[in-house]
Amino acid sequence: GQQLNQSPQSMFIQEGEDVSMNCTSSSIFNTWLWYKQEPGEGPVLLIALYKAGELTSNGRLTAQFGITRKDSFLNISASIPSDVGIYFCAGQLAGNEKLTFGTGTRLTIIP
Amino acid sequence: GAVVSQHPSWVICKSGTSVKIECRSLDFQATTMFWYRQFPKQSLMLMATSNEGSKATYEQGVEKDKFLINHASLTLSTLTVTSAHPEDSSFYICSAAGQGGQETQYFGPGTRLLVL
Repeated sequence: GQQLNQSPQSMFIQEGEDVSMNCTSSSIFNTWLWYKQEPGEGPVLLIALYKAGELTSNGRLTAQFGITRKDSFLNISASIPSDVGIYFCAGQLAGNEKLTFGTGTRLTIIP
Repeated sequence: GAVVSQHPSWVICKSGTSVKIECRSLDFQATTMFWYRQFPKQSLMLMATSNEGSKATYEQGVEKDKFLINHASLTLSTLTVTSAHPEDSSFYICSAAGQGGQETQYFGPGTRLLVL
């Protein structure tokens, strides 16, 4: 099935650094979601975006719904060790319950 | 927040046996539940969408006779992997949503299946 492309695929950063990752699609979506998954766990919803251009924050996390509706980015400011995990974007079409997940960005924090 | 549980959290079985995985919404009624499969270092791939009281809708390439889904109540869906083989070893994750699936999907903690 279709997957959304996320970049970078992996990131190695030092604690305290800011993180930026993005997600792109060849088709438009009406809703963009960002999830975090830790090893052996299910994904946990971080931020949901419902309108093109929308910029939403959740603590140190900020995400934006691209104007073209084909992309979204997630920023994490002042990273801390517990930010380690895999971040997935997901797109959803209006009237369609299904989620299409991105390929994931694996975040590692170097001590 | 909404809580979704899965049972068992992990299972090891012999090739040829069947394995049942339960997905429960603990504090809300889930009209729609979704089953995903995730192979190591890969993303989540939707297997099927399950609506309470009706037959599941399977994604292309997913064998409905091999992955039996039952959604008999608003809080429980089950996935049965029939005649499991080593290539079925994976991380199976369910999610649940209310109001016909249009609400936010809440994910379970996943079930790791290892078929020997």
